[in-house]
Order: sequence, then structure tokens, then C-alpha cells
Amino acid sequence: GENVEQHPSTLSVQEGDSAVIKCTYSDSASNYFPWYKQELGKRPQLIIDIRSNVGEKKDQRIAVTLNKTAKHFSLHITETQPEDSAVYFCAASIVAAGNKLTFGGGTRVLVKP
Amino acid sequence: EAQVTQNPRYLITVTGKKLTVTCSQNMNHEYMSWYRQDPGLGLRQIYYSMNVEVTDKGDVPEGYKVSRKEKRNFPLILESPSPNQTSLYFCASSFQGTVSTDTQYFGPGTRLTVL
Repeated sequence: GENVEQHPSTLSVQEGDSAVIKCTYSDSASNYFPWYKQELGKRPQLIIDIRSNVGEKKDQRIAVTLNKTAKHFSLHITETQPEDSAVYFCAASIVAAGNKLTFGGGTRVLVKP
Repeated sequence: EAQVTQNPRYLITVTGKKLTVTCSQNMNHEYMSWYRQDPGLGLRQIYYSMNVEVTDKGDVPEGYKVSRKEKRNFPLILESPSPNQTSLYFCASSFQGTVSTDTQYFGPGTRLTVL
């Protein structure tokens, strides 16, 4: 089955700097890659996703890039703010196989003021 | 308001005492899923359902049961809980696409402690 690895497990950045989280996946058939943000004590919430027919997607300060050949995708957060502090999860799925998501282990991001 | 609800939110129980965690969604989603979240392991899928009366095992199904008798409900059953099932549990739902994948919406979580 699919295996998703996520790095780093923790990331500390200064407010205003950029943060990058990287994920690799094992199943070349995976074609949908969402990113979830989980604040302390809260549920995971989708912040951005990308499908395999697209190489990059942006939404304000966040962007995701996908390299299908290398089987990795990354989340980029620019101009970080304290409210970006949370745990971020990447995931991968195969659309034709239903909606089963395989998650990475998570990255705890701390933005220091 | 569109939402996924879970009950109870917190539960402390003892080994072997059967329990059920309920999950309900009001978005007419076909797909529902249960995950457990443990530190450093991310979210691991326990069971999922692609529609009424259609359920299947996820990555960590041992010790759990589910049922999907109605579209809106997807209860998680622990027949004989053990301490290694102490975890944070999330239910999630989405529309079930075959040509596109829709966003999964998560419930608020159930923190279970088995003594």
C-alpha cells in the first residue's frame, strides 16, 4: 500500500520567515495530495491540495509543489505569522480507488514572534 | 450548518468494557472514515465506508468494528477495548468521487483512554 513520509517532524521559524515541509510517497498511482493543518486541540482542516495534473498551486501565503517523477510534494508557507503555528499533515490518495487518504507523520511548526 | 459530529468527546473506560463512538454527518456524504491519531504516527485509517452497507478495513482495523446502516451515521465499536487503543479518534466524511476526490471533513475528535 501507499507509504507517505514527512520531514521535518518539527520546524521552528522566526516570524516573517518561510517554512517548507516535504513529503515523499511510494505509490506512483497516487494522484491527489492534500495538506491539513491541525491547531492544538482542534480537528485537522484542509488548507490546500494539489492534483497530479498540476505542478504548483498557490493560495495567498501558502503554496504546494508536486514532482511526480521524484514522487515528492512540498508545502511552502511564506511570511509566517504566529497563527501559522500548528501541526501540518500531508496525505496522498488514488482518486479512482475511492477517497482513502494515507497521511504523513506530521510536522509541528512553531513560529516565534 | 454542515458538520461532522462525534460523541462522546472524551471517554475513560476500563479494559474489556464494550464501547461505541458515534459519528454523524449532515452533508449527505457517501464516504465516511475513522482514523486514530497517535504522536509521531500521523492519522492512520481504521475503517472506511464508501456508502450504506459498504465498509472496508483501513490500515489498522484490528480490535475495531463499524457499521453503516444509514448514510449519515458511521459508529465505531470497540468490543473489548485494550490499553493500546488509547488514542485520539477522528471521524471524517466526503463526497465519493470516482473521477475526482473531494475534501474530507473531520469531526471534532474523541479522546479515548483505556485503563
